[in-house]
Amino acid sequence: GQQVMQIPQYQHVQEGEDFTTYCNSSTTLSNIQWYKQRPGGHPVFLIQLVKSGEVKKQKRLTFQFGEAKKNSSLHITATQTTDVGTYFCAADQTGANNLFFGTGTRLTVIP
Amino acid sequence: EAGVAQSPRYKIIEKRQSVAFWCNPISGHATLYWYQQILGQGPKLLIQFQNNGVVDDSQLPKDRFSAERLKGVDSTLKIQPAKLEDSAVYLCASSPRGWLAGSGELFFGEGSRLTVL
Repeated sequence: GQQVMQIPQYQHVQEGEDFTTYCNSSTTLSNIQWYKQRPGGHPVFLIQLVKSGEVKKQKRLTFQFGEAKKNSSLHITATQTTDVGTYFCAADQTGANNLFFGTGTRLTVIP
Repeated sequence: EAGVAQSPRYKIIEKRQSVAFWCNPISGHATLYWYQQILGQGPKLLIQFQNNGVVDDSQLPKDRFSAERLKGVDSTLKIQPAKLEDSAVYLCASSPRGWLAGSGELFFGEGSRLTVL
């Protein structure tokens, strides 16, 4: 199946620091989605990116889709303890909502 | 609006036994997914249904796993016989989008946690 790698695997930050996770696909994607999973919870949809070079913002979160549509990033400005969780990208190669999840980045925020 | 319902939430079995998980998607959602999430890993797609037809089951270990979605609504995932490495959370998700309608948000259930001893 689809290979989707995320880095870093883990990230510990002090509250108020910024955080970035990167997602890389071995193939060109139709679109990419981002999900957040709280400890003990299930993945919850954050956003979908479709266009090459697209940038979307949700309050302190900024999402970017690479020009070649093979990579994406999620940046959180001034982290809060509520940002704790694992962030997954989910790659759709065919555009048929056939989603392959990345390895995830687990974020810990130290108060 | 009711979310994706899954049962049971927890199941403990011994290896070589069988187990079944049930999922009821959000009403009207055409696409249903089963994912396997091993502790510390990302969800791995097992099977994707569009209505009652299979879109993708390329990663389903068909010698022991089976899934069906009769009548295009709820779905059952079965493991027979279970192995130790099947210990994981089995997540069901649904989407109003799918094969012909393009991509969109997946709505996940709470998951069924399986422990194989």
